[in-house]
Amino acid sequence: AQSVTQPDIHITVSEGASLELRCNYSYGATPYLFWYVQSPGQGLQLLLKYFSGDTLVQGIKGFEAEFKRSQSSFNLRKPSVHWSDAAEYFCAVGRQGAGNMLTFGGGTRLMVKP
Amino acid sequence: EAGVVQSPRYKIIEKKQPVAFWCNPISGHNTLYWYRQNLGQGPELLIRYENEEAVDDSQLPKDRFSAERLKGVDSTLKIQPAELGDSAVYLCASSLGSDSPLHFGNGTRLTVT
Repeated sequence: AQSVTQPDIHITVSEGASLELRCNYSYGATPYLFWYVQSPGQGLQLLLKYFSGDTLVQGIKGFEAEFKRSQSSFNLRKPSVHWSDAAEYFCAVGRQGAGNMLTFGGGTRLMVKP
Repeated sequence: EAGVVQSPRYKIIEKKQPVAFWCNPISGHNTLYWYRQNLGQGPELLIRYENEEAVDDSQLPKDRFSAERLKGVDSTLKIQPAELGDSAVYLCASSLGSDSPLHFGNGTRLTVT
């Protein structure tokens, strides 16, 4: 069975600082990996996805993530955080041939200090 | 394009009462999903439809939950009777196909008292 762990429940960063959100997955084969963002009272918006190829993927809003097979990780990064990035971030894993049968992590709530 | 539309946005009911949620997916999206998101957790898949057919409902508590997707477009998720533990946000999502990105609606927040 596939699973996703997001070790940090809450993270607070100052505006303009860099950000890294951690995600570790468990899956027997090559996974499909996703990062979603959820603002309060809203649905989830896809930030980026990894299916194959280049292990560094670029997403919307200046986010990027790196797939590291040896570490079973797919950490999300942003070089300079904006106040509008405050939200909850979810990492998810899917399996090949059924990429949208997603298993989500518990989420990381990001707070941004002015 | 219009996004995934869900209604109502909020629902408060007493336990043992029935409740229904409605979802209108993005036009042309054949695949529709219902997820449940408990407070402080990630979403969990309840059921997935390919057109009118429910192709994965293994996580749906069938004793009290039911869903339908008539004509392969709109979908309704029903709970009868509701229990206190059903309080959660119910999210609908749609996609063009099984490997296409999911588009989520804003969800229905259910509170059972």
